[in-house]
Amino acid sequence: EVQLVQSGSEVIQPGESLKISCKGSGYNFTNYWIGWVRQMPGKGLEWMGIIYPDDSDTRYSPSFQGQVTISADKSINTAFLQWSSLKASDTAMYYCARTDFSSSGDYWGQGTLVTVSS
Amino acid sequence: QSALTQPASVSGSPGQSITISCTGTGSDVGGYNYVSWYQQHPGKAPKLIIYDVNSRPSGVSSRFSGSRSGNTASLTISGLQAEDEADYYCSSYTSSSTGVFGGGTKLTVL
Repeated sequence: EVQLVQSGSEVIQPGESLKISCKGSGYNFTNYWIGWVRQMPGKGLEWMGIIYPDDSDTRYSPSFQGQVTISADKSINTAFLQWSSLKASDTAMYYCARTDFSSSGDYWGQGTLVTVSS
Repeated sequence: QSALTQPASVSGSPGQSITISCTGTGSDVGGYNYVSWYQQHPGKAPKLIIYDVNSRPSGVSSRFSGSRSGNTASLTISGLQAEDEADYYCSSYTSSSTGVFGGGTKLTVL
């Protein structure tokens, strides 16, 4: 059974750094892209970027280029999304999804809620 | 890249058919055969219901179908059921080699 399990909810102060994770199982992790999607409270979905774990080829959506870093460690079947300095406007649910290069996500993680507040 | 354009809301009665449109440009919807549709119930992760414009993943009801004409893709749900009430999002591959979503459409089953 294909599963993507994300790390737990986070409450972070503005200016702090954060790295959240997405662990894949039940399939060959290096054969599929992993995408990250943001959903701000009460708002729609936004593709942030995708990564191919086999060679770490990474593509960022223009709105997120330079704002976040997407990485992967294929030895532990895990992808990561990280921020160096969080802002209140980063408060959102973040989902990872197994996808192809065209950003069509067939399996999704349960989501990680990130709350940035002082 | 701008978000694809979807109607904010649509509604229909049980048993009826509804169609949700998704308008982009030649650099996304009209330029590639990579349009997907997702269903999202409140508090849940999105679920893929259509990919590659008109293909259904295994296990998705045949009541869901996709099509495209020019720069506009469409999702049709036939035989509307109460469980179809949800938010629906289109997504397309773009010339920037990334994906872009539509703003989402809230479907109400009357």
